[in-house]
Amino acid sequence: DAEITQSPRHKITETGRQVTLACHQTWNHNNMFWYRQDLGHGLRLIHYSYGVQDTNKGEVSDGYSVSRSNTEDLPLTLESAASSQTSVYFCASSESVSGEYNEQFFGPGTRLTVL
Amino acid sequence: GNSVTQMEGPVTLSEEAFLTINCTYTATGYPSLFWYVQYPGEGLQLLLKATKADDKGSNKGFEATYRKETTSFHLEKGSVQVSDSAVYFCALTFGRGSTLGRLYFGRGTQLTVWP
Repeated sequence: DAEITQSPRHKITETGRQVTLACHQTWNHNNMFWYRQDLGHGLRLIHYSYGVQDTNKGEVSDGYSVSRSNTEDLPLTLESAASSQTSVYFCASSESVSGEYNEQFFGPGTRLTVL
Repeated sequence: GNSVTQMEGPVTLSEEAFLTINCTYTATGYPSLFWYVQYPGEGLQLLLKATKADDKGSNKGFEATYRKETTSFHLEKGSVQVSDSAVYFCALTFGRGSTLGRLYFGRGTQLTVWP
């Protein structure tokens, strides 16, 4: 069955370190998204991609970067981790059909703690 | 801009009680509307959707009607169960344009149902 996976599921790191969170989907979806979930804020969009070599900034992109070298993967990198980036991170993917709604499928999440 | 406002939680109910979670939206255009559910320790799952005005989405006993005149999409269930305990998110997206496929989420409402 097709799925979307994230790794690691839990990560503890120190301030200033570079961290990369992996997202892998086997749906063959063109669209991929990264969100962070914080109490009182719901989910906020960090970065998204509509296809290979395409990346776009979301509403809370500062301190994060992504790259899309293939259809299946969209890794999220924290260049220099900060305590404010302690959060739960969700990856999602969807089809790309303009004019129609396409359901987003979510991964199980990565809980990141920055000490 | 585009935004979603949903009822603050937490909501605590007894089993078989009636549930309403309010959701209103602001959108530049004609969005599709969704309710997502997040069970403890899991990612988000689509609960129901409505893609145009007056549509009613329904699933697992939950319902919501897309009301363009009041820009609302309230979630209702006639008789909740303990297994409905979760966080519920209202969200919107567009099927075309520069924001294609992006989800705009409300802050989430925690529902706890007691036996």
